[in-house]
Amino acid sequence: DAGVIQSPRHEVTEMGQEVTLRCKPISGHNSLFWYRQTMMRGLELLIYFNNNVPIDDSGMPEDRFSAKMPNASFSTLKIQPSEPRDSAVYFCASSLLDEKLFFGSGTQLSVL
Amino acid sequence: RKEVEQDPGPFNVPEGATVAFNCTYSNSASQSFFWYRQDCRKEPKLLMSVYSSGNEDGRFTAQLNRASQYISLLIRDSKLSDSATYLCVVPSGGSQGNLIFGKGTKLSVKP
Repeated sequence: DAGVIQSPRHEVTEMGQEVTLRCKPISGHNSLFWYRQTMMRGLELLIYFNNNVPIDDSGMPEDRFSAKMPNASFSTLKIQPSEPRDSAVYFCASSLLDEKLFFGSGTQLSVL
Repeated sequence: RKEVEQDPGPFNVPEGATVAFNCTYSNSASQSFFWYRQDCRKEPKLLMSVYSSGNEDGRFTAQLNRASQYISLLIRDSKLSDSATYLCVVPSGGSQGNLIFGKGTKLSVKP
């Protein structure tokens, strides 16, 4: 199994630009999570989906952030417009029946 | 009390040493707990799950103290390859599937 696949690995953009992060979960997993990690705040859950349905988006910082899961094999996290304080590593993770989380390699986002 | 609290370290220990990390949590209803390991610039990976009083896997032992609301991770005979950040993970009192990660304890094992 290829594991959780995220793209891009690195993203450098300018303030105000739209950023789209992509995630392909492990086949057969029914839960998908988006996390953000910074030195100051550690790993924070942004949103999680169960069977493609958003269950908890209370961690999404503000309306600039949105996430979709159009099917069981693909999810996106979009930031529009991006700001320097959004700079972080964004991880996608998937699991089966809310058990062990498998993380992707993350996207290092830098907003200048 | 913060939801999940860990000593950030770093813990600098020589090879072969025994080292222990503690983690305190605030949600007394939590039933399952986890330790994840994160190497520098890598993703977190599950190290151990703790469902009852404790769990042992080779050199690693995780213990749970529900009365005091803390879990610990003990590493015996530490290896250079154990150098990493260890994240304590506790289910949130909110929605199922919402896991709260501690900020991690950094371990550095020296030769």
